Amino acid sequence: QQQVKQSPQSLIVQKGGISIINCAYENTAFDYFPWYQQFPGKGPALLIAIRPDVSEKKEGRFTISFNKSAKQFSLHIMDSQPGDSATYFCAPRGTSGTYKYIFGTGTRLKVLA
Amino acid sequence: GAGVSQSPSNKVTEKGKDVELRCDPISGHTALYWYRQSLGQGLEFLIYFQGNSAPDKSGLPSDRFSAERTGGSVSTLTIQRTQQEDSAVYLCASSLAKSDTQYFGPGTRLTVL
Repeated sequence: QQQVKQSPQSLIVQKGGISIINCAYENTAFDYFPWYQQFPGKGPALLIAIRPDVSEKKEGRFTISFNKSAKQFSLHIMDSQPGDSATYFCAPRGTSGTYKYIFGTGTRLKVLA
Repeated sequence: GAGVSQSPSNKVTEKGKDVELRCDPISGHTALYWYRQSLGQGLEFLIYFQGNSAPDKSGLPSDRFSAERTGGSVSTLTIQRTQQEDSAVYLCASSLAKSDTQYFGPGTRLTVL
């Protein structure tokens, strides 16, 4: 069953613009909400993550906003750069006994120079 | 130190053949995950090893898939009687026990003809 819904599927942003990617999860207990960045031919790499006891976390140009009541969290990339062009995945982690991550379907971001 | 390594990087096989994919996790990492990523898709959880605990095999798609982890380090994912739908990139990740951060290998691209 689909527990995580990520949107949009693809996104084109002008250099310097703001990229926003959303992730909605269903009625499942998650305790950790990361975003991964993946470049072609590479494995994903952790970009930024948040725990459910805070509503926002910022690291440089990257911000996670977390809305526990709405079961949604989003990634904001400020001042987007061509080097940010990659595929982004949300991957909330379940609490049901094993540290199992449920990956979203990914958002392909292209930042135009 | 070295990151997660996987071998081979590419594997082309004929339908019906068995294949073995290898993952060398980061030294000291007790948790090891296998994922499958089909073209343009998100990551599908396959199996999770944590120390000496029984593995979580809940993501294995059929009994043709199996995995083992010897000595708490190297892991091998075996696919028997491969089918064309098994074609995908198989990714391995490792982490410290109960750590938040997974470190991914570069993946093995499997093509079944």
